[in-house]
Amino acid sequence: NAGVTQTPKFRVLKTGQSMTLLCAQDMNHEYMYWYRQDPGMGLRLIHYSVGEGTTAKGEVPDGYNVSRLKKQNFLLGLESAAPSQTSVYFCASSSRASQETQYFGPGTRLLVL
Amino acid sequence: ILNVEQSPQSLHVQEGDSTNFTCSFPSSNFYALHWYRWETAKSPEALFVMTLNGDEKKKGRISATLNTKEGYSYLYIKGSQPEDSATYLCAFPNFGNEKLTFGTGTRLTIIP
Repeated sequence: NAGVTQTPKFRVLKTGQSMTLLCAQDMNHEYMYWYRQDPGMGLRLIHYSVGEGTTAKGEVPDGYNVSRLKKQNFLLGLESAAPSQTSVYFCASSSRASQETQYFGPGTRLLVL
Repeated sequence: ILNVEQSPQSLHVQEGDSTNFTCSFPSSNFYALHWYRWETAKSPEALFVMTLNGDEKKKGRISATLNTKEGYSYLYIKGSQPEDSATYLCAFPNFGNEKLTFGTGTRLTIIP
C-alpha cells in the first residue's frame, strides 16, 4: 500500500516548455487535489476532482490543466511553463472532503528558468 | 473564499515547555476542522479531524479543542521536544464540502 505517490520528484524546465505531473493513489479515494506551496503562502489549491472524469478549479488554476481519466490517477499539466510556476507541488486524496483526512504525496519540486 | 487564520505565525519554545496556538474559522455552516503537522522537506500529515463543538482530541503530547460557536480551535503541545518542530496547519471545508481551505500555519521551533 503505497498511499499517494507523485512523479517526478524534481524537474527543471525552461520557460515555455510543457510537462505533466502524475499523482497516483491506491486507497480507492474519490477526491483528489493538486496544491502548490510557496514561501509565506501556505498551501493553495490549484485544481481538484470529486470523482473519475470530473475536475474543478481551485484558488489558483491559471496556467494549469488537469485530467482524471482513471480514479486512481490525477494529472496536472503545465502547457507553457512560466517562472512564476516555480514551486513545490503536492497532490492529496481523501475519501470525502470534509470529515476525512487528506493524504498527501511527497511533493514535486519544479524549477522554471 | 473562507478565511482561516492561524496565530501566531511563528513560535520559538524551549524544550520541555508547553505551548499552544490558535486557528480561527467561520462559525457558520460548520462541517469539520482539520489539523495537520508539516515537517520541513516532508508532506503534511494529519493530526486530527474535529467535528463536534466542545470536542477534545489527543495524540500523545498533542491535543486539540474545538469551539464551533465562536469559531476557534486550539492546538496544545505538552512538554515540547525537538521533534515537535514543524509547521502546524489547520483547514476548513468550503460550503460545498468538496475542498479544504488551509491556513498559512504556525511555524513552531523547539529550542534544545
